[in-house]
Amino acid sequence: AAGVIQSPRHLIKEKRETATLKCYPIPRHDTVYWYQQGPGQDPQFLISFYEKMQSDKGSIPDRFSAQQFSDYHSELNMSSLELGDSALYFCASSAERGVHGPYNEQFFGPGTRLTVL
Amino acid sequence: GENVEQHPSTLSVQEGDSAVIKCTYSDSASNYFPWYKQELGKGPQLIIDIRSNVGEKKDQRIAVTLNKTAKHFSLHITETQPEDSAVYFCAADILTGGGNKLTFGTGTQLKVEL
Repeated sequence: AAGVIQSPRHLIKEKRETATLKCYPIPRHDTVYWYQQGPGQDPQFLISFYEKMQSDKGSIPDRFSAQQFSDYHSELNMSSLELGDSALYFCASSAERGVHGPYNEQFFGPGTRLTVL
Repeated sequence: GENVEQHPSTLSVQEGDSAVIKCTYSDSASNYFPWYKQELGKGPQLIIDIRSNVGEKKDQRIAVTLNKTAKHFSLHITETQPEDSAVYFCAADILTGGGNKLTFGTGTQLKVEL
């Protein structure tokens, strides 16, 4: 079965540079979520999109922005990178809201490992 | 906001034994509780979930129980196998207008020894 695709899988950047992470949800999934996972930490919710509109916002720094496009893929843009931004970034997707209720299962991608030097 | 606590942080069992991981949540409005398994270098994989309208759910060797009154939920793995070794995260759903926003527990490193 098709899974969530994330690219790139690994990314190395210098401080103050910018980075763009991409996420391609499971086909027919219309909701995308972004999570950040530091070393030895649990995933922290950053932001989510439903039908190309931001639906919820968590602990996302102002230096980060994200959007969902017409084909439902999403991009997380990170600027003025700091050493503390080094982490695994996961994208998750879920199926159409309203079909299974508002508590649809989230399926995670393999993640992008961002290293800021 | 929601706060999820998870215990133990590490758990070592012998192959064939049972493993139990416990979580508590703070927000009584939470009504969806998934469990994820994360292997090294991979994304979290949903293994089982439970909604607040049921108290127990089982899928082969895995079961989850929920006590809404006490705000506790637990993962039970029976007949553990070496391939069960991984980090397990519990999570709770925060009810917002935007839908799912999972709050994760701090994780349990499960090691199944031969």
